[in-house]
Amino acid sequence: DAGVIQSPRHEVTEMGQEVTLRCKPISGHNSLFWYRQTMMRGLELLIYFNNNVPIDDSGMPEDRFSAKMPNASFSTLKIQPSEPRDSAVYFCASSSQLLQGTGELFFGEGSRLTVL
Amino acid sequence: GEDVEQSLFLSVREGDSSVINCTYTDSSSTYLYWYKQEPGAGLQLLTYIFSNMDMKQDQRLTVLLNKKDKHLSLRIADTQTGDSAIYFCAENSSYKLIFGSGTRLLVRP
Repeated sequence: DAGVIQSPRHEVTEMGQEVTLRCKPISGHNSLFWYRQTMMRGLELLIYFNNNVPIDDSGMPEDRFSAKMPNASFSTLKIQPSEPRDSAVYFCASSSQLLQGTGELFFGEGSRLTVL
Repeated sequence: GEDVEQSLFLSVREGDSSVINCTYTDSSSTYLYWYKQEPGAGLQLLTYIFSNMDMKQDQRLTVLLNKKDKHLSLRIADTQTGDSAIYFCAENSSYKLIFGSGTRLLVRP
């Protein structure tokens, strides 16, 4: 079975440009999470969806960040305009059990973003 | 609010035991987790413990939970060079996982 698929794996862009990160969760999973990992702040939860509906976006840093989940098999995280401090590895994760069971999260390999 | 804290770095010699510690804040967490991240990869679930348990053993891994002190530990017996990675503690809080900052384990030959 395919795991969580993220694209692009690496993105280098200039300050002010729009960045779109994409995620395909594991088929059948109904919860999707976006995390950001940096050396300074560790792993931060940005937003999560349940059944395609955003449940908690309190971790989204500011209005420059937005996330959508138009259907059960696709989500995007958009940064517009991007800034150098947005440089990080962005992880998407999905789960089928979070509300009921052991809550195992399955992570993608991450999208490494560098904003110059 | 929710917070999970871990030490940042641990270095052990191959064959020794490693103990990684974590403290958490949400006493209502049903499960507590240990995830492993290898270089260039996402996190993978290593093991978890139900909050009404004190200990869980799984081959070389032993998880200890002190609910009174909100302290979780992961012991890796006979640590191997392949165990070198970042280990994250996590609590289940309000239907989301809150992770610690991760402990980087370095295993010296």
